[in-house]
Amino acid sequence: DTAVSQTPKYLVTQMGNDKSIKCEQNLGHDTMYWYKQDSKKFLKIMFSYNNKELIINETVPNRFSPKSPDKAHLNLHINSLELGDSAVYFCASREGGNTEAFFGQGTRLTVV
Amino acid sequence: ELKVEQNPLFLSMQEGKNYTIYCNYSTTSDRLYWYRQDPGKSLESLFVLLSNGAVKQEGRLMASLDTKARLSTLHITAAVHDLSATYFCFPQTSGSRLTFGEGTQLTVNP
Repeated sequence: DTAVSQTPKYLVTQMGNDKSIKCEQNLGHDTMYWYKQDSKKFLKIMFSYNNKELIINETVPNRFSPKSPDKAHLNLHINSLELGDSAVYFCASREGGNTEAFFGQGTRLTVV
Repeated sequence: ELKVEQNPLFLSMQEGKNYTIYCNYSTTSDRLYWYRQDPGKSLESLFVLLSNGAVKQEGRLMASLDTKARLSTLHITAAVHDLSATYFCFPQTSGSRLTFGEGTQLTVNP
């Protein structure tokens, strides 16, 4: 069973479109994250939710909007996609503040 | 704010050689994780170092933690091609933020 699953794995879309990436974890964790990984492999935190509540909101454009319908899901919606949004987006989850994080397989977003 | 620095960021080495990757961090942490990311894949936890002086080994990789120096090392012994990947360190601090190092992209050449 996949612990943290993201869909889709690949997403190619045109500039200006709106798209969503979904994430689900079946580990019973309270905290979920979205990270953006650029071409240099740097992992930048975007958002974090704890029990459906937003706790970290980094300085990302407000075109990015996370939504957590329940603690097992954290989705990422992106409006008006730009070329610079092309990256790999990772979802992660963990239980509490002192445990390892588990990552999804990543969503490679390409904006053309 | 926690800052995490890894070096080197890029490492190209020959099979059979030894090398060490360093992870320095700026605030108090008594637990540190190392993760591995294969090209095009997700991140997987390699080691968790739970206290000052902790050492963990798996195969050709050995990680250590010095909480007083705020330094962790990942030592590679007799590298093989299968170790080619990006390695990230992640010092655990209070709060929910996960701050990773920049990653070390390791390429092991035959």
